[in-house]
Amino acid sequence: NAGVTQTPKFQVLKTGQSMTLQCAQDMNHEYMSWYRQDPGMGLRLIHYSVGAGITDQGEVPNGYNVSRSTTEDFPLRLLSAAPSQTSVYFCASSWAGMNTEAFFGQGTRLTVV
Amino acid sequence: AQKITQTQPGMFVQEKEAVTLDCTYDTSDQSYGLFWYKQPSSGEMIFLIYQGSYDEQNATEGRYSLNFQKARKSANLVISASQLGDSAMYFCAMRVMDSSYKLIFGSGTRLLVRP
Repeated sequence: NAGVTQTPKFQVLKTGQSMTLQCAQDMNHEYMSWYRQDPGMGLRLIHYSVGAGITDQGEVPNGYNVSRSTTEDFPLRLLSAAPSQTSVYFCASSWAGMNTEAFFGQGTRLTVV
Repeated sequence: AQKITQTQPGMFVQEKEAVTLDCTYDTSDQSYGLFWYKQPSSGEMIFLIYQGSYDEQNATEGRYSLNFQKARKSANLVISASQLGDSAMYFCAMRVMDSSYKLIFGSGTRLLVRP
C-alpha cells in the first residue's frame, strides 16, 4: 500500500525554469492538496482539489498551477521558478470531512538558484 | 481570522518524563477539528491525534493525549513517558467546515528528548 507518492525528493532549479512536482495516491481519496513548508511558518496551502476536474486556490497560489484529470494524480507546476519558491513541498490526500486524517507524501525539497 | 498559534519554538524534556506542547486556535466556527502531526528529522508528516470540537472527551492515542479546553481555545498535546524517538518537530493544525477542507497549521514546536 503506497499511500501518497511524491516525486522528486530533491530538485535544484535555475531562476526562470519550469518543472512539475508529481503526486499520486492510491487510496481513492477525493481531496488532494499541496502545501509548502518554510522555516518558522508551518505549512501553507498552495492549491487543493475536491475531486477530478475541480481545483481551487489556497493561501499562497501565485506562481503555481495545478490540474486534476484523475482521482489519483495531482501534479503541481512551477511556471517560472523564483528564489522565493525555495521550500519543502508536501502533497496530501484525505477523504472529504472534518475528522479525516490527511496523508502526506515524503516531501520535495526544492532549491531555486 | 482562523489561526493556530504555537508559542514554544523549542523544548527539552528528559527521557521518560511527560511533556506538554501548547497550541491555541482562533476560529469563529462552531464546528472544527484539531490535529497534531509529528515531523521527524527524516521529513515525513505523521498523524498523531485528532479532537473534534463537539467531542466531550479528550482524545487519547497510546502515549499521546490531547488536553482540549474549548473555552480557552487550547488543544495542547501531552506526551507521556517521553522516548528518544519522540525528538521531532510537532505541528498543531485545525480544519474548519468549509469547501476547501484545508488544514491550517501552526509554526511548530521542536522537541528534543534528552537521555
